[in-house]
Amino acid sequence: DIQMTQSPSSVSASIGDGVTITCRASQDINNWLAWYQLKPGKAPKLLISAAYRLQGGVPERFSGSGSGTDFNLIITGLQPEDFATYFCQQGHSFPLTFGGGTKVEI
Amino acid sequence: QVRLQESGPGLVKPSETLALICNVSFYSIDNGLYWGWFRRPPGKGLEWIGSTYSGRTFYNPSLKSRLTISVDASNNQFSMRLTSVAAADAALYYCARGLDAYTYDSWGQGALVAVSS
Repeated sequence: DIQMTQSPSSVSASIGDGVTITCRASQDINNWLAWYQLKPGKAPKLLISAAYRLQGGVPERFSGSGSGTDFNLIITGLQPEDFATYFCQQGHSFPLTFGGGTKVEI
Repeated sequence: QVRLQESGPGLVKPSETLALICNVSFYSIDNGLYWGWFRRPPGKGLEWIGSTYSGRTFYNPSLKSRLTISVDASNNQFSMRLTSVAAADAALYYCARGLDAYTYDSWGQGALVAVSS
């Protein structure tokens, strides 16, 4: 299985701040990486696929970068609705695997 | 816009079978996309359980011996059955639609499952 290591596990930030979340794969996954946002009581939301492709309706303050084994999710200008938990997920091969998650807190 | 809703028992006894249904609305389950199950145990991360696509199933090897995923196209639903559940199977279970084998763009809100006698 491909292991996904995500950091940090949590980050404290303020409205307007920028945050970078890192995800590292245990092997080359090309750009088969997605980022999801999870909030309690809500359906998970796909933010980015193929490492950098922003999904429709996702604000442009979210961006993704990286390829191979190292990836970033960057949030610029945090908004109140961005405080949530974020997960990376590799799609290079089954079984699909996720990073451990990053909780973005106020 | 597609909508997914999980349903099932909130409590399952150890060694029994967990059965969950995902009802899909506003999109035909026959339209050739992937349909998947995921879970998140309390205090832990997300885990892929398995998916189905065009009559084929793909299972997480860690669950494969206990897992069945099937489609009921007549009711626009898909389901999962996990046998011999244990405390480690307690989790928030999600169903989701996959645009491809790994990009899941629409999710249900989740069904909480506890395992206890």
